[in-house]
Amino acid sequence: GAGVSQSPSNKVTEKGKDVELRCDPISGHTALYWYRQSLGQGLEFLIYFQGNSAPDKSGLPSDRFSAERTGGSVSTLTIQRTQQEDSAVYLCASSLWGRNTEAFFGQGTRLTVV
Amino acid sequence: GIQVEQSPPDLILQEGANSTLRCNFSDSVNNLQWFHQNPWGQLINLFYIPSGTKQNGRLSATTVATERYSLLYISSSQTTDSGVYFCAVDHYNNNDMRFGAGTRLTVKP
Repeated sequence: GAGVSQSPSNKVTEKGKDVELRCDPISGHTALYWYRQSLGQGLEFLIYFQGNSAPDKSGLPSDRFSAERTGGSVSTLTIQRTQQEDSAVYLCASSLWGRNTEAFFGQGTRLTVV
Repeated sequence: GIQVEQSPPDLILQEGANSTLRCNFSDSVNNLQWFHQNPWGQLINLFYIPSGTKQNGRLSATTVATERYSLLYISSSQTTDSGVYFCAVDHYNNNDMRFGAGTRLTVKP
């Protein structure tokens, strides 16, 4: 694709519900990152995928958060039993090889938990 | 882990003024990128610059890897330059890009 695509753009959910956020990386990019940005804050790393290697999950804030990447392409970030503090913009990025290659971001998914 | 510090945290300019944004990092890095986050939240790539100097129109960037800093220059600023500027680094010890806290730039007409 032309760029990193994320869906939905906006999601409003009730506290306690599960949500799934989707990321389509740039075609051919083997590395994929998820970040979270709370209102007015910087970017917080969540998880990193590189090819067929085991993902780096060191940034996931709790076991309610999980992510998978099917076929080395599309990734889904799942948040179970959402809490109000999960409200944020979730950003996905991809790069050709990970380290030493330029990363490009999608437009983000704005999640609001009410 | 590696620390990334950006300065100043906030900057207000009159249209047409020049500015310099700074990014310091605490260890050797493999890679450094500058991004502009526009008011709609989109992160726009400005420079991929692990070392040396690059220019793109009114913007230029210099990274001095041996001294662990990078500078972003904005000349003849325009209101559309407003937003938050982030630098992000790759460190050998981390898989993720490590971001600074950003510089919030406001350009007034």
